[in-house]
Amino acid sequence: EVQLVESGGSLVQPGGSLKLSCVASGFTFSNYWMDWVRQTPGKSLEWIGEINTDGSKTNYAPSIKDRFTISRDNAKSTLYLQMSNVKSDDTAIYYCTTEGIDWGQGVMVTVSS
Amino acid sequence: ETTVTQSPASLSMAVGEKVSISCKTSTDIDDDMNWYQQKSGEAPKLLISEGNTLRPGVPSRFSSSGYGTDFVFTINNVLLGDEGIYYCQQSDNVPFTFGSGTKLEIK
Repeated sequence: EVQLVESGGSLVQPGGSLKLSCVASGFTFSNYWMDWVRQTPGKSLEWIGEINTDGSKTNYAPSIKDRFTISRDNAKSTLYLQMSNVKSDDTAIYYCTTEGIDWGQGVMVTVSS
Repeated sequence: ETTVTQSPASLSMAVGEKVSISCKTSTDIDDDMNWYQQKSGEAPKLLISEGNTLRPGVPSRFSSSGYGTDFVFTINNVLLGDEGIYYCQQSDNVPFTFGSGTKLEIK
């Protein structure tokens, strides 16, 4: 059974940093591109970015480019989202997903002073 | 960036009726459109992927059509368990933008 488990969500002050993790199991993690998607409270979904199978290529949404970094450790079957210089608009539930096919349960990030 | 315009924002249907949701894209995306269902408190679930391909285990009551810039998602014989929010997402070019969602209520 495919499982994606996010962690690392918390309350963070504007301008601060946070790193989310997503541990994968039940499939060969290194064979799949991985994505991060977020959902603001009561609103739609926003695709944040993706990373290729070996971590050598990433693509990002303009809204977070240069502030967020996606990386992965295939030996640990783990995907990461490093968030820097966060803003109130970054308050959302963050999901990791295998290109939309399987999803984690999501982790809440709240940006507030 | 490709903009995805989804309509309607909400629907209220009776059991057994047919549901149609539209997504229009600002650029030609071939048939690179995905459709998701999200139930309250849950992560989205992929129902239909690129090429109007029904995902394994998804009932054939769900279908989609379209190519280029105009796409339609259909639920035939809607059931009470189909309540939720439905999203389209284009996967032709980054960023992979989503529609704003359609909230489906079953009367």
